[in-house]
Amino acid sequence: QVTLKESGPALVKPTQTLTLTCTFSGFSLSTTEMRVNWIRQPPGKALEWLARIDWDDDKFYSTSLKTRLTISKDTSRNQVVLMMTNMDPVDTATYYCARAYGGQFDAWGQGTQVTVSS
Amino acid sequence: DIVMTQSPDSLAVSLGERATINCKSSQSVLYSSNNKNYLAWFQQKPGQPPKLLIYWASTRESGVPDRFSGSGSGTDFSLTISSLQAEDVAVYYCQQSYNTPYTFGQGTKLEIK
Repeated sequence: QVTLKESGPALVKPTQTLTLTCTFSGFSLSTTEMRVNWIRQPPGKALEWLARIDWDDDKFYSTSLKTRLTISKDTSRNQVVLMMTNMDPVDTATYYCARAYGGQFDAWGQGTQVTVSS
Repeated sequence: DIVMTQSPDSLAVSLGERATINCKSSQSVLYSSNNKNYLAWFQQKPGQPPKLLIYWASTRESGVPDRFSGSGSGTDFSLTISSLQAEDVAVYYCQQSYNTPYTFGQGTKLEIK
């Protein structure tokens, strides 16, 4: 059974750096063609893709956010970490991680809510 | 970036009737090397993460009821629910995975008339 779970602070202050962890089970990020993505969703708004890391450590980022994002993996611990710098209230959202194997996002975590406020 | 545009933004359909949601991409998402369209459909209910319904434009994910179907190729796609059930009330998103940055449509809210 494939599961993913996001964790991190529920509240961050403006200008701080957000660090989120996706802990997964049921698959290995060392398997060829395996990928993990981060997606966010502001309250009442649409989904926005943020970043992707691949089994071979290739990394891809949102065009508008790439200067603020860093994605990394710890294959032995089955974790993917997303860092987002210089947080702003507009970054308030639910942040999801999702597995992609063969291209499609076939398994998602429940999401973690992050509020940016002083 | 590829822009995904859904229509309509909201839709109200009677129980048992057909519902169709459209999605248009700003460039083709068809890979000529394998003839697959990298277009997926997701269903999201309140307080839940998105659920994959359809991938490669028309392949139903395991466990998804057969009243859900996807069609289209290139830049124009549709999701059809053949006979709307109460549990289908949700927001539906299309998404392209043709290239990064991946992009989603703005969502279509489906309600019961």
